Amino acid sequence: NAGVTQTPKFRVLKTGQSMTLLCAQDMNHEYMYWYRQDPGMGLRLIHYSVGEGTTAKGEVPDGYNVSRLKKQNFLLGLESAAPSQTSVYFCASSYSLQPQHFGDGTRLSIL
Amino acid sequence: DAKTTQPTSMDCAEGRAANLPCNHSTISGNEYVYWYRQIHSQGPQYIIHGLKNNETNEMASLIITEDRKSSTLILPHATLRDTAVYYCIVRDGTGTASKLTFGTGTRLQVTL
Repeated sequence: NAGVTQTPKFRVLKTGQSMTLLCAQDMNHEYMYWYRQDPGMGLRLIHYSVGEGTTAKGEVPDGYNVSRLKKQNFLLGLESAAPSQTSVYFCASSYSLQPQHFGDGTRLSIL
Repeated sequence: DAKTTQPTSMDCAEGRAANLPCNHSTISGNEYVYWYRQIHSQGPQYIIHGLKNNETNEMASLIITEDRKSSTLILPHATLRDTAVYYCIVRDGTGTASKLTFGTGTRLQVTL
């Protein structure tokens, strides 16, 4: 039982490049979330999903897109990366309103 | 969701109890108090949550005042591995996906 797994763990991009971050959970959770964490700050919600095929915007959605084609996977996409998107990205999952389980993060640097 | 206020940092000697306070004076009746912690470079870890009764699990105890305007997380015998940032979060217990609103938390340093 791996819990929440994020891929990749580290990535460096150039401005304007695109990439997709993958989050996979093996706990059969309906809800999945993407957060970003900047230095000295708490986590901020980017997008979330309440089930397969559904997504919704969080607090800071601009510049990101998401997809939930399978229940166990939640993808976060950056179409045209900007330096302001340099951050640590965390994925989480949960049963409905139960406590969220987090992955160990993806550290993304955009030059 | 109601806003929370926590001290920026605290120190605790190893083996002693760590008491982390949190103020949430605008909490409403259907909002729960959650505690998470984040050990350096790792994802947040759930600790405990409660509505109005005190709660205890294998990690910690949560004491909520009768008026629910504040709470205290207690780590009964702190160890060096408990050094982390602790987040107190108030979250609506109803509705659809209920996001967690993280503040800056309390940085707990456990020392020898």
